[in-house]
Amino acid sequence: QKEVEQNSGPLSVPEGAIASLNCTYSDRVSQSFFWYRQYSGKSPELIMSIYSNGDKEDGRFTAQLNKASQYVSLLIRDSQPSDSATYLCAVEGNRGAGNQFYFGTGTSLTVIP
Amino acid sequence: NAGVTQTPKFQVLKTGQSMTLQCAQDMNHNSMYWYRQDPGMGLRLIYYSASEGTTDKGEVPNGYNVSRLNKREFSLRLESAAPSQTSVYFCASSTLQGATNEKLFFGSGTQLSVL
Repeated sequence: QKEVEQNSGPLSVPEGAIASLNCTYSDRVSQSFFWYRQYSGKSPELIMSIYSNGDKEDGRFTAQLNKASQYVSLLIRDSQPSDSATYLCAVEGNRGAGNQFYFGTGTSLTVIP
Repeated sequence: NAGVTQTPKFQVLKTGQSMTLQCAQDMNHNSMYWYRQDPGMGLRLIYYSASEGTTDKGEVPNGYNVSRLNKREFSLRLESAAPSQTSVYFCASSTLQGATNEKLFFGSGTQLSVL
């Protein structure tokens, strides 16, 4: 079982709609969770971090965390064509000498004008 | 305001050649990481350094070596490149290991092709 699992998509939504991205993780002791956005040919860019159960909102983005279900999601409201990218879910875990960050394979999102 | 700087941006090697990827960060971060990204595989950790003077293997360390030269710099070396090492390599750094609200920041990446 992979540490972090995401639906690879592709996910297509019309402009102005809500895009919903989901992620599950296997390590119950993980405490930190992240969403990165990666445009084609670019490096991942941190857009949201969440550390406690519940919702965290930042502009058009809302991250949701449910540790009991080992589930993290990202909602993008009022989706824009500029949101078209691959979204990576990451989970911090400890596998030895220090904390490591484990990534899902990413969900490709296309926002259709 | 450089953040994490990687060099080179592109490199083509022949099988068996060696090279070193350089990475430096100016955010005073303790921890540094090397990832590779392949289609359908996501980001996979090669090596990491929790603090200056320490290095540890990640998920896919075979064929690579690293050096944490000082707090700022963390290099990745391919001693004898193989076609399977064709990938995009990312260096990253993070705030204090184990600290609350730790975050990971990436360099711009190195596109490596091994022929």
